[in-house]
Amino acid sequence: EDQVTQSPEALRLQEGESSSLNCSYTVSGLRGLFWYRQDPGKGPEFLFTLYSAGEEKEKERLKATLTKKESFLHITAPKPEDSATYLCAVQKNTGANSKLTFGKGITLSVRP
Amino acid sequence: DAGVTQSPTHLIKTRGQQVTLRCSPISGHKSVSWYQQVLGQGPQFIFQYYEKEERGRGNFPDRFSARQFPNYSSELNVNALLLGDSALYLCASSSGLQETQYFGPGTRLLVL
Repeated sequence: EDQVTQSPEALRLQEGESSSLNCSYTVSGLRGLFWYRQDPGKGPEFLFTLYSAGEEKEKERLKATLTKKESFLHITAPKPEDSATYLCAVQKNTGANSKLTFGKGITLSVRP
Repeated sequence: DAGVTQSPTHLIKTRGQQVTLRCSPISGHKSVSWYQQVLGQGPQFIFQYYEKEERGRGNFPDRFSARQFPNYSSELNVNALLLGDSALYLCASSSGLQETQYFGPGTRLLVL
């Protein structure tokens, strides 16, 4: 069965203190790994898709990387507005449907 | 361009009642997926529709049903509501079956 595990569950950083969020996955036939950001009471906002091991993508202070077993979301010099829950999801390589299997998320709090 | 829209934003029902949730995809998107997100958990896949056909169903009871209309909008129906159905219901749309899914703001359902 497909499994996505995110760690830590919660992370508190000081503004400017860089860190990494981890997403470990087990899936047969990975088509893509997705990162979303979710603010309280709102829908997830798409950040990145990674398709193959070694791939990296960047957006402002965020950088996502992918290996065959895990993905990291690196946050460089975070600001308070980066506070949110970060969700990781995997999609299988099947033509039937494109369901996303999510982890529980990592709640990031950045203090000014 | 308008994103995914969902209605209503909030809903309160009592046990045993039925509820219908609505979703309008991003213009040009032909696939709609539904997810349930319980507090503190990641979203769980319920259904995916593509070109008005069901393409995937998650591990939810038959009380849950959905359909997609010719204009690609979608409805999720839940019958015989239980307390455990209280959750944020998310709709996501994508341009194709295996393209990136973009989420709406969700409908918060509370069952009393």
